[in-house]
Amino acid sequence: RKEVEQDPGPFNVPEGATVAFNCTYSNSASQSFFWYRQDCRKEPKLLMSVYSSGNEDGRFTAQLNRASQYISLLIRDSKLSDSATYLCAVYHSGNTPLVFGKGTRLSVIA
Amino acid sequence: SQTIHQWPATLVQPVGSPLSLECTVEGTSNPNLYWYRQAAGRGLQLLFYSVGIGQISSEVPQNLSASRPQDRQFILSSKKLLLSDSGFYLCAWSVKGDGYTFGSGTRLTVV
Repeated sequence: RKEVEQDPGPFNVPEGATVAFNCTYSNSASQSFFWYRQDCRKEPKLLMSVYSSGNEDGRFTAQLNRASQYISLLIRDSKLSDSATYLCAVYHSGNTPLVFGKGTRLSVIA
Repeated sequence: SQTIHQWPATLVQPVGSPLSLECTVEGTSNPNLYWYRQAAGRGLQLLFYSVGIGQISSEVPQNLSASRPQDRQFILSSKKLLLSDSGFYLCAWSVKGDGYTFGSGTRLTVV
């Protein structure tokens, strides 16, 4: 089993739709979790950290399910500008590098 | 505020030529530094990381090397490039336990 796995997509959704991505991780001792957004031919940018209690930033909600070892990202009211690849990242411990998933591609269609 | 600079933005190099990519961070001290490569349509591959001056950990054995001559400077090098070295090279920094901030990347094409 790979350390961090994501459905590559693409997810093609109409504007205004709600879309959710999951990311599973294999190390039950993982400590910190993040979602990144990467636009085509650009660097990844931190979208949000994922806290144990879940967190929300506008239309974006991130949640952690430790029992099932996955994190999720929910995007409400999708905009054309949300089209990008979304990468999850997991820290096993503070001294080890982040492990990135390969990303899920989202296309929001007018 | 912290900033990360990476250059050049694009590079076309012949097979067998040397490579030097530089990354510098401003506004922080003793950051963790990372070099990643992303092949076209692929995920991020960690190449090297450093937790301090002169400390380099290599994740993937290949014809690349990294050095950290100063606290906020990270250099990726090769003596002889291969076609398979083409890709999008990204430098990143973090403090322990936090998410990474990436530089704008160097798109390398080896011809």
